[in-house]
Amino acid sequence: NAGVTQTPKFQVLKTGQSMTLQCAQDMNHNSMYWYRQDPGMGLRLIYYSASEGTTDKGEVPNGYNVSRLNKREFSLRLESAAPSQTSVYFCASSEKQLMNTEAFFGQGTRLTVV
Amino acid sequence: LAKTTQPISMDSYEGQEVNITCSHNNIATNDYITWYQQFPSQGPRFIIQGYKTKVTNEVASLFIPADRKSSTLSLPRVSLSDTAVYYCLVPIHSGAGSYQLTFGKGTKLSVIP
Repeated sequence: NAGVTQTPKFQVLKTGQSMTLQCAQDMNHNSMYWYRQDPGMGLRLIYYSASEGTTDKGEVPNGYNVSRLNKREFSLRLESAAPSQTSVYFCASSEKQLMNTEAFFGQGTRLTVV
Repeated sequence: LAKTTQPISMDSYEGQEVNITCSHNNIATNDYITWYQQFPSQGPRFIIQGYKTKVTNEVASLFIPADRKSSTLSLPRVSLSDTAVYYCLVPIHSGAGSYQLTFGKGTKLSVIP
């Protein structure tokens, strides 16, 4: 039982390049989330998907797009990477929309934009 | 909006009990309080969740007073492996019945030998 799997684990991009961060969960969870964490900071919500077929903006959505491909997969796309997007990105999932339930996090993707 | 306030950092010696208090003055009636733990280079991990009074599991206890405007995470007899950042969360209601779970900066607990 893998839980939440993120790929890649590390990535270096040049400014202006695009890439997609992949996330998959095998717990049959309805809700999925993308967070970013900058050094010494807490996690900030980028986008979330309360259920398959829906996506909503979080605190810091600018510069990102998401796709809830199916119930298992939720991807995060950077269309034109900027140095300000250098961060660690975490994907999470929960059985239902996060309120009174436990969320499970992936191991993170460390992204550097140069 | 329900936001949380907790100390930035705490130090404790091994074997001591550690209490981390979080204030959430604007918590909504039906909202639970959830605590997560994060080790360096890892994603957060759920520790405990509660609505009122006291909740205990194999890892920690959570104390919530009657007014629910604060909560205290209690870690009994900490060890070096408890050195981590601890986050207190309550949902932020973003309208139309949807919620966001927002992490603040958390409390960095350092356990000293």
